Amino acid sequence: KQEVTQIPAALSVPEGENLVLNCSFTDSAIYNLQWFRQDPGKGLTSLLLIQSSQREQTSGRLNASLDKSSGRSTLYIAASQPGDSATYLCAVLPLGAGGTSYGKLTFGQGTILTVHP
Amino acid sequence: GAVVSQHPSWVICKSGTSVKIECRSLDFQATTMFWYRQFPKQSLMLMATSNEGSKATYEQGVEKDKFLINHASLTLSTLTVTSAHPEDSSFYICSARGGQGAGQPQHFGDGTRLSIL
Repeated sequence: KQEVTQIPAALSVPEGENLVLNCSFTDSAIYNLQWFRQDPGKGLTSLLLIQSSQREQTSGRLNASLDKSSGRSTLYIAASQPGDSATYLCAVLPLGAGGTSYGKLTFGQGTILTVHP
Repeated sequence: GAVVSQHPSWVICKSGTSVKIECRSLDFQATTMFWYRQFPKQSLMLMATSNEGSKATYEQGVEKDKFLINHASLTLSTLTVTSAHPEDSSFYICSARGGQGAGQPQHFGDGTRLSIL
């Protein structure tokens, strides 16, 4: 059974710092991995999606890497801002039979990020 | 693009009431919709997967007679919590996926906060 773990559970940093959020998964047979942002009381906003054949994806100040063989992904946030404060969730899409996927995401517990001015 | 609307955003009702939550894909056809439940400070747990025009597939431990799911069209899925009790209070989030590939990204609604008194 796929398990996804995120470290740290919570992180508080001053504005302007670069930071790294970690995600690990137990089964390397994944179709893709996604990073989401969740604001309090809200749904999920997709930040970056990395296909299993890719090593990284970038969007603005965000960079996500994927090392499938070691079961790890990192989300790098450059020059953090107070508006980045949210919960960040990592989710993997397991690989099913025949190289396809059943489409069921498995989520980590999330990292609660607070960026203070 | 790829907007998912969930309604209502917040509902409070008495124990024993049935509550219906709607999930709509506004600008794409959702062949598959997913329903998640999220407890405070915890991650998302998949409850069921529904494909348009067919019965939903429930995850282990989820009572299908308690949580009725209908996916009657390519843009609408509903979750009805029947005879709700305080232990059903939670944050419910839907997601929708277009296209035929299970690896297509899921787009999430803003969630529904359900409080049963």
